[in-house]
Amino acid sequence: GAVVSQHPSWVICKSGTSVKIECRSLDFQATTMFWYRQFPKKSLMLMATSNEGSKATYEQGVEKDKFLINHASLTLSTLTVTSAHPEDSSFYICSASATRGPRGSPLHFGNGTRLTVT
Amino acid sequence: GESVGLHLPTLSVQEGDNSIINCAYSNSASDYFIWYKQESGKGPQFIIDIRSNMDKRQGQRVTVLLNKTVKHLSLQIAATQPGDSAVYFCAELMDTGRRALTFGSGTRLQVQP
Repeated sequence: GAVVSQHPSWVICKSGTSVKIECRSLDFQATTMFWYRQFPKKSLMLMATSNEGSKATYEQGVEKDKFLINHASLTLSTLTVTSAHPEDSSFYICSASATRGPRGSPLHFGNGTRLTVT
Repeated sequence: GESVGLHLPTLSVQEGDNSIINCAYSNSASDYFIWYKQESGKGPQFIIDIRSNMDKRQGQRVTVLLNKTVKHLSLQIAATQPGDSAVYFCAELMDTGRRALTFGSGTRLQVQP
């Protein structure tokens, strides 16, 4: 089955530093990737949608300058949390889709990255 | 606004019993639904999906039922096992060409041995 790999699985950083999270599709080409954020005991909230080779589309309330997304290839998308603060601490999860159209195989998720900002 | 929600935040069942997890959605434009299982510290794992032109779909030990009249979705797990303990989310996809999912609030399933 389709596999989405996320790295790192957890990271601790100091306030003010930047952290990059990688999302890779291992056995298929992901034309579209999605980044979600999940707080403890809460549901997943969509942050942004990225299509390979174009700019990401951010959801309302998500700061694009703070959460930089790059989807430069069909197998890799990165999320960079810039100038991280303790309130950015969360579980970040990516998902990938093999098709750009409205329908296709179900979205596959990575195992998430636990970010703790001290 | 329109949202996807769940009736029960926690469901506790005995091992071997059947489990039913419910989900209410309010977006009548949604035409594709997915159930995910999420274990602690992991990403969501696809369980089963259903399109709006169907009212029932079966998988291995799982069945999803869709009632568009009352905008209700359910996940039935047969012969629940301890390994089924997790948080279950329903997610919906609107027919807009955009493939981002909207997630419900989740139900924690606890299987008692």
